Amino acid sequence: EAGVAQSPRYKIIEKRQSVAFWCNPISGHATLYWYQQILGQGPKLLIQFQNNGVVDDSQLPKDRFSAERLKGVDSTLKIQPAKLEDSAVYLCASSARTSGSPTGELFFGEGSRLTVL
Amino acid sequence: DAKTTQPPSMDCAEGRAANLPCNHSTISGNEYVYWYRQIHSQGPQYIIHGLKNNETNEMASLIITEDRKSSTLILPHATLRDTAVYYCIVKTPGSEKLVFGKGTKLTVNP
Repeated sequence: EAGVAQSPRYKIIEKRQSVAFWCNPISGHATLYWYQQILGQGPKLLIQFQNNGVVDDSQLPKDRFSAERLKGVDSTLKIQPAKLEDSAVYLCASSARTSGSPTGELFFGEGSRLTVL
Repeated sequence: DAKTTQPPSMDCAEGRAANLPCNHSTISGNEYVYWYRQIHSQGPQYIIHGLKNNETNEMASLIITEDRKSSTLILPHATLRDTAVYYCIVKTPGSEKLVFGKGTKLTVNP
């Protein structure tokens, strides 16, 4: 079974430039997440999608970050304009919702490492 | 905010059992305890989860105290490949959101 695919793996940009990250979840997984992981910290949820609808974007800095999942499959996370503090690894994860199940395992991609100079 | 407390780092000898503690004193009756680990330069990986009873799978065992205020993840025979950051997470059923703390950096030494 193919895992969660992310690209690019690495990106270096100047501050105030824009960047986009792409994620393709595991086939059939309805729920998709974007996490931000700053060096030395645990991942922090930015946004959660259920199919193509947003479930939780309370921690997404909406003045500069945007995300979409137009067809309910793959997703794009964009940062415009980037700031120095956006340097982090951006992790995409997906999960399969099972009717009646209280639990759900998240499968993570390898992440996209962003360096803002 | 994370609802768990973990030691920042631990060491273990290769081949020995690694016992990683987690405190979750404010856990609610219907909340699960999840463990994930993150090997360097990879995304987090699910290990195990439990509610009240002890659980075991091919990767690890999870021991939850009777009052559910703490738990221990046990890697019975640690290998060098188990060197990673281990995250203990309390999760509300029906919510698929994971709130990560800083975890425990486990180093397995040869």
